[in-house]
Amino acid sequence: DVKVTQSSRYLVKRTGEKVFLECVQDMDHENMFWYRQDPGLGLRLIYFSYDVKMKEKGDIPEGYSVSREKKERFSLILESASTNQTSMYLCASSPLARKYFGPGTRLTVT
Amino acid sequence: AQKITQTQPGMFVQEKEAVTLDCTYDTSDPSYGLFWYKQPSSGEMIFLIYQGSYDQQNATEGRYSLNFQKARKSANLVISASQLGDSAMYFCAMRDNNNDMRFGAGTRLTVKP
Repeated sequence: DVKVTQSSRYLVKRTGEKVFLECVQDMDHENMFWYRQDPGLGLRLIYFSYDVKMKEKGDIPEGYSVSREKKERFSLILESASTNQTSMYLCASSPLARKYFGPGTRLTVT
Repeated sequence: AQKITQTQPGMFVQEKEAVTLDCTYDTSDPSYGLFWYKQPSSGEMIFLIYQGSYDQQNATEGRYSLNFQKARKSANLVISASQLGDSAMYFCAMRDNNNDMRFGAGTRLTVKP
């Protein structure tokens, strides 16, 4: 079974803090993705990566950056967390079209 | 830009009955894939079913079937014989050649005993 893990299920941070969300997959997938999920808006793509050290902006990249130093790990970085970044963050990986999702990180910025 | 629309924020169904969750999409690409995911309260996203734009038959996976009407650009999910465990959020998604997968806003299904 494909396994996608995220470093935390719940996280509370203060405004202005730098936040790292880690995602690891164990199936050697080349493609990895970060989404945020908000009520009524579904999942929105923040960033994705098709290869190590490669990144592409999704629909809502502002306020975020990413890092992919190793194939299995894709990190989402909030350089200076703001309250409007309070959300559920979902990581996914995929070999082709279908995505496999991690359990999600619910981030609260106070 | 591609767009996925789920017009039903919430749906109720009686246990053991069938239910249809609506999804319409918009793309100019002739080649695309349609997906449905289930998200229970635990938060995990569970892949349910896939339909390719060139597939002649409607996709089926157990109690799930996808009512694919290409001319109408709709890809409704049909769940037969609903079970209490089907209560969850359901997301429709599409991927075409120009963009990564995009998701609809979701439909919350509640199965009543």
